[in-house]
Amino acid sequence: NAGVTQTPKFRVLKTGQSMTLLCAQDMNHEYMYWYRQDPGMGLRLIHYSVGEGTTAKGEVPDGYNVSRLKKQNFLLGLESAAPSQTSVYFCASMGQGRSEQYFGPGTRLTVT
Amino acid sequence: DAKTTQPTSMDCAEGRAANLPCNHSTISGNEYVYWYRQIHSQGPQYIIHGLKNNETNEMASLIITEDRKSSTLILPHATLRDTAVYYCIVRVLTSGSARQLTFGSGTQLTVLP
Repeated sequence: NAGVTQTPKFRVLKTGQSMTLLCAQDMNHEYMYWYRQDPGMGLRLIHYSVGEGTTAKGEVPDGYNVSRLKKQNFLLGLESAAPSQTSVYFCASMGQGRSEQYFGPGTRLTVT
Repeated sequence: DAKTTQPTSMDCAEGRAANLPCNHSTISGNEYVYWYRQIHSQGPQYIIHGLKNNETNEMASLIITEDRKSSTLILPHATLRDTAVYYCIVRVLTSGSARQLTFGSGTQLTVLP
């Protein structure tokens, strides 16, 4: 049982490039979330999903898109990366009827 | 969700109890108190949550005052591995259909040898 995994762990992009971050969970959780954390700050919610095939915007969704085609996976896409998107990205999942979220190890993204 | 106030930083001696306070004076009757921690560079980790009764699990104890306006997370025997940022979060158990968390700045706990 790996819990929540994130791919890749590190990435450097140039301004304007695109990429997709993958989050996978093996706990059969309904809810999945993408957060970003800037240096010295708390986490901010980007997008979330309440089930397969559904997505919704969080607090800071601009510049990002997401998809949840399979229950166990939640993808975060950056279509045209900007330096302001340099951050650590965390994925989380939560089971139906539960209230605690389980987080992945994070992806450190630098946009130059 | 109610706003929370935590000290920016605290120190604790290894082996002693660490008591982390949180003020949430505007908490509503249906809002729970959650604690998470984030060890440097790792994803946040759930610790404990409660409504109004004191709670204890294998990691910590949560003491909520009778008026629910404040709470204390207790790590009974702190170790160096407990050095982390601790987040106190207040939210309704079912906030719409997402139940997302809102993280503040938290308390940096440093356990000293």
